[in-house]
Amino acid sequence: EAGVVQSPRYKIIEKKQPVAFWCNPISGHNTLYWYLQNLGQGPELLIRYENEEAVDDSQLPKDRFSAERLKGVDSTLKIQPAELGDSAVYLCASSLGSSGGGEQFFGPGTRLTVL
Amino acid sequence: DAKTTQPTSMDCAEGRAANLPCNHSTISGNEYVYWYRQIHSQGPQYIIHGLKNNETNEMASLIITEDRKSSTLILPHATLRDTAVYYCIVIPSGATNKLIFGTGTLLAVQP
Repeated sequence: EAGVVQSPRYKIIEKKQPVAFWCNPISGHNTLYWYLQNLGQGPELLIRYENEEAVDDSQLPKDRFSAERLKGVDSTLKIQPAELGDSAVYLCASSLGSSGGGEQFFGPGTRLTVL
Repeated sequence: DAKTTQPTSMDCAEGRAANLPCNHSTISGNEYVYWYRQIHSQGPQYIIHGLKNNETNEMASLIITEDRKSSTLILPHATLRDTAVYYCIVIPSGATNKLIFGTGTLLAVQP
């Protein structure tokens, strides 16, 4: 069974440029998460989707970050414009939803470098 | 939500048991203890979880003290591939999809 797929794995952009990350969750997983991980820190939740609905986006900086999960399957996280401080790893995870408990399955992440 | 305290780093000899402690003295009765690990350049990976009783699976054992204020993750025969950051996370039963990661313990398995 394929795990959570993310692309690209690495992205280098200049500040003020836009960037987008893509995630395809495990088949059948209704819940999808985007996390941000700074160097030396644990992941921090940005947004959680239940199917196509964003049910927790309280930590998403909405002035520059946006996300969508059309059709309740794959998802895209966008930053526009990117700032130097956005350099980090962006992780996507999925789970079976509330019935799946706390077991989340993570992708390998996208490492973003903003120059 | 209960906070957890873990040592910043630990070493373990290959083939020996690795015992990773976690303090969660403010845990409440309906909160689970979850363990994840993150190998370098990979996403976190679920290991095990428990509420009151000790748990064992193919990866590890989880020992929770009777007062539930601390727990220990045990990797019975550590290998070099177990080198990773290990996160102990406490989650309310009504919000088991809300993971709040700390900085974890970096376990270095030495040959």
